Amino acid sequence: KNQVEQSPQSLIILEGKNCTLQCNYTVSPFSNLRWYKQDTGRGPVSLTIMTFSENTKSNGRYTATLDADTKQSSLHITASQLSDSASYICVVSAIVGTYKYIFGTGTRLKVLA
Amino acid sequence: DSGVTQTPKHLITATGQRVTLRCSPRSGDLSVYWYQQSLDQGLQFLIQYYNGEERAKGNILERFSAQQFPDLHSELNLSSLELGDSALYFCASSPDRGTYEQYFGPGTRLTVT
Repeated sequence: KNQVEQSPQSLIILEGKNCTLQCNYTVSPFSNLRWYKQDTGRGPVSLTIMTFSENTKSNGRYTATLDADTKQSSLHITASQLSDSASYICVVSAIVGTYKYIFGTGTRLKVLA
Repeated sequence: DSGVTQTPKHLITATGQRVTLRCSPRSGDLSVYWYQQSLDQGLQFLIQYYNGEERAKGNILERFSAQQFPDLHSELNLSSLELGDSALYFCASSPDRGTYEQYFGPGTRLTVT
């Protein structure tokens, strides 16, 4: 069964600290993996997209890694800011004739001053 | 601002009714995606249209239907509404069939009473 699991469910850190969010998936056949940031009540915003051949991708203070062998991805946030408080969602795409998009339930991050 | 517009922002209706949600993609984008986000289930992919044709189907109920018009705007029709249909409905667009970044609209919040 195609599944995407994220951990932790929620996380509280102090401003300026780093953190790492995890995403494990059992989606097949794998097409790409995306990380989104979603502020409460707003549409998700894309942070990174990685295909099978990519194992790291950065977007400012956000760095995503992908291990296609172990089917794991992580999102590392460096020097966190208050504005990083949001939900972070991992989405894995599969191509089975057409695209399928399987969403994780997200990690809720709160950054405190 | 992602460039994707959705109307209306909010919609309150009664069980058994039918509503239409509208989405205008970013200029030049050919794909439109519909997603549902409820409190207990997270984000779920409903359906994708590419240049007027259905491209991929997710967990869309038979009571729901969508279409993409020649000017590329899309409508999501929800009928025989139930309390459980209350959710945020997001539209996203991308320039291609599904490989690249998707840009999400601000969403339509549907409340069924």
